[in-house]
Amino acid sequence: AQSVSQHNHHVILSEAASLELGCNYSYGGTVNLFWYVQYPGQHLQLLLKYFSGDPLVKGIKGFEAEFIKSKFSFNLRKPSVQWSDTAEYFCAVNAPSGTYKYIFGTGTRLKVLA
Amino acid sequence: NAGVTQTPKFRVLKTGQSMTLLCAQDMNHEYMYWYRQDPGMGLRLIHYSVGEGTTAKGEVPDGYNVSRLKKQNFLLGLESAAPSQTSVYFCASSSYEGYTFGSGTRLTVV
Repeated sequence: AQSVSQHNHHVILSEAASLELGCNYSYGGTVNLFWYVQYPGQHLQLLLKYFSGDPLVKGIKGFEAEFIKSKFSFNLRKPSVQWSDTAEYFCAVNAPSGTYKYIFGTGTRLKVLA
Repeated sequence: NAGVTQTPKFRVLKTGQSMTLLCAQDMNHEYMYWYRQDPGMGLRLIHYSVGEGTTAKGEVPDGYNVSRLKKQNFLLGLESAAPSQTSVYFCASSSYEGYTFGSGTRLTVV
């Protein structure tokens, strides 16, 4: 069965620090990959997605993610975080097998100190 | 374009009471989902639907029922609420492009 692992459950950074959140998935075939963000008290919103092509994907608010097929990873990065990036981040995987049902990781809670 | 709308946003129930959460989407998506979100446990899929008139169980279906009588609506029912069902419930719909989530319902069962 497919699964998604986010090993960092809680991350605390100071403003201007660089961010990298890990995401690993278990599925041997072609996958679509997503990162969602949930700001405090809000619903999940799409940050970025990878379907095919350039493995370095740029999303909103300066976030990017790199798909490394050999490592089954899709790590999220941002060069310089801001206090407003405080949120919970979810990685998700979909294997395009005729279903649009995704598997979500358990989330990484990021706190950025001003 | 409203996307996914959930009602109500907040609700307090007494143990044993029943209620229905409504989810409506205007994007003509076939797939719809109900998740619950609890601290430290991420999103857990309760039930989902792959089209009008269909439903299927997710990871944590016990104590919940769903119906998809119309393509745009997906209802989540609690027949006899229990304190363990205190949670934030999110509805979502999806296409190939990804998921769109509703704003959530915070349910407290006392």
